[in-house]
Amino acid sequence: GAVVSQHPSWVICKSGTSVKIECRSLDFQATTMFWYRQFPKQSLMLMATSNEGSKATYEQGVEKDKFLINHASLTLSTLTVTSAHPEDSSFYICSSRAGGRQETQYFGPGTRLLVL
Amino acid sequence: AQKITQTQPGMFVQEKEAVTLDCTYDTSDPSYGLFWYKQPSSGEMIFLIYQGSYDQQNATEGRYSLNFQKARKSANLVISASQLGDSAMYFCAMRDSGYALNFGKGTSLLVTP
Repeated sequence: GAVVSQHPSWVICKSGTSVKIECRSLDFQATTMFWYRQFPKQSLMLMATSNEGSKATYEQGVEKDKFLINHASLTLSTLTVTSAHPEDSSFYICSSRAGGRQETQYFGPGTRLLVL
Repeated sequence: AQKITQTQPGMFVQEKEAVTLDCTYDTSDPSYGLFWYKQPSSGEMIFLIYQGSYDQQNATEGRYSLNFQKARKSANLVISASQLGDSAMYFCAMRDSGYALNFGKGTSLLVTP
C-alpha cells in the first residue's frame, strides 16, 4: 500500500527554537497534503491544507506565521513550528492524497514534539 | 458544518467475538465520504475502510465492515472475530469538500483473552 513518511519521529527542543517536520509521500504524487495536531487523549484536529505550488490554507485559530507550511514538490511538505512554546507540545501528523477521485488518505507515522 | 459523533468512549470485547463501534454524522453536503481509522498506541493512523455517500452497498474489508444507514446518518464499524491486536483507538471521520478529514472523538477498544 501507499506509504507516507515523517521525520523526525520525536523531537525535544527548548522554548523559542524552531522545529521543522517533513512529510514525504513515497509511493505516489500527492497533490494535497494535510497537517493535523493531536493532543493527548484527544482527536485529530486539522491545522492546514497544503497544496503543491500554492499557499497553504489554514484552519481558523491556527496561526500561519507560527506554523509555516511549504509544499515545494508533489512528494514533500514541511511544517515548521516557529518560536516553539510548551503549549505547542503535541503529536503532529500529516496525510497525503493522490488527487482526482482518489478518496483514501494515507497518514504518516506522526511526530511527537516536546517543547521544554 | 460537518459533525462526527462517537458516543462510546471505551468498549470491551472478548477475543473471537464481533464488536460494533458507533458513528453518527451530520452534513448538508449531498456528496460525502466516511472513513474509519485505527490508531494503536504507537500513534500511526491506519486506514481501515471507506464508504461513499452514493455507494449502494456497505463497504467491507476483510474482518471490517461498515454498516451504512444513510437515512439514520450512521456509519458503524463492525469488526468480526476480534483479535488481541485489534486493541486500539478507533476514529470515524468524514471528508469535507476540500478532502480534509473531520474526526470524531474516538472509541478505545480493548480485546480481552
